[in-house]
Amino acid sequence: DAGVIQSPRHEVTEMGQEVTLRCKPISGHDYLFWYRQTMMRGLELLIYFNNNVPIDDSGMPEDRFSAKMPNASFSTLKIQPSEPRDSAVYFCASKGAGNLLNTEAFFGQGTRLTVV
Amino acid sequence: LAKTTQPISMDSYEGQEVNITCSHNNIATNDYITWYQQFPSQGPRFIIQGYKTKVTNEVASLFIPADRKSSTLSLPRVSLSDTAVYYCLVALSGNTGKLIFGQGTTLQVKP
Repeated sequence: DAGVIQSPRHEVTEMGQEVTLRCKPISGHDYLFWYRQTMMRGLELLIYFNNNVPIDDSGMPEDRFSAKMPNASFSTLKIQPSEPRDSAVYFCASKGAGNLLNTEAFFGQGTRLTVV
Repeated sequence: LAKTTQPISMDSYEGQEVNITCSHNNIATNDYITWYQQFPSQGPRFIIQGYKTKVTNEVASLFIPADRKSSTLSLPRVSLSDTAVYYCLVALSGNTGKLIFGQGTTLQVKP
């Protein structure tokens, strides 16, 4: 498997524009996570899905952020409208349910978003 | 989820053993302790996980005392390439699936 694949790797957009980040999890994984990382706030969990269903979106900063997982092999994180303070690296990660001991998540390379 | 506390930064030299301790005073009976490593410009990577006593793999060892209120990640004979941020997580295994990262420890290995 190629691992978790995120696109694009870099995105530069103007304030007010819509931004869509994409993620393809590892095949067979049941969990998908979206994180945001900044110097000031560290690595924040935004939302996570289990079997394509959003389980906890309490980390989504505001209504401008939305995430979907239409099927087991694809998820999107959308920001509309984007603001400069949304500039960060966004990571997608997936994890298999496996056995109850499983806390090993696999991360993508991230999308570096810059909103100007 | 149990809150974790770990040093913000540590320095070491090549060839030394590095021990990073994480405290998790409120750990629950069903919680497991997991450590991740993050290199610059990459996503975090799972290193090791344990419940009690000692766990060892090809990358590191994890020491967990009987009360489980702390854990120590041990990296033997570090090299420059071990310079990274190390995160300690306490996660309820498998159940909620939620993984929360704290501030991490930035390890700087010097020649």
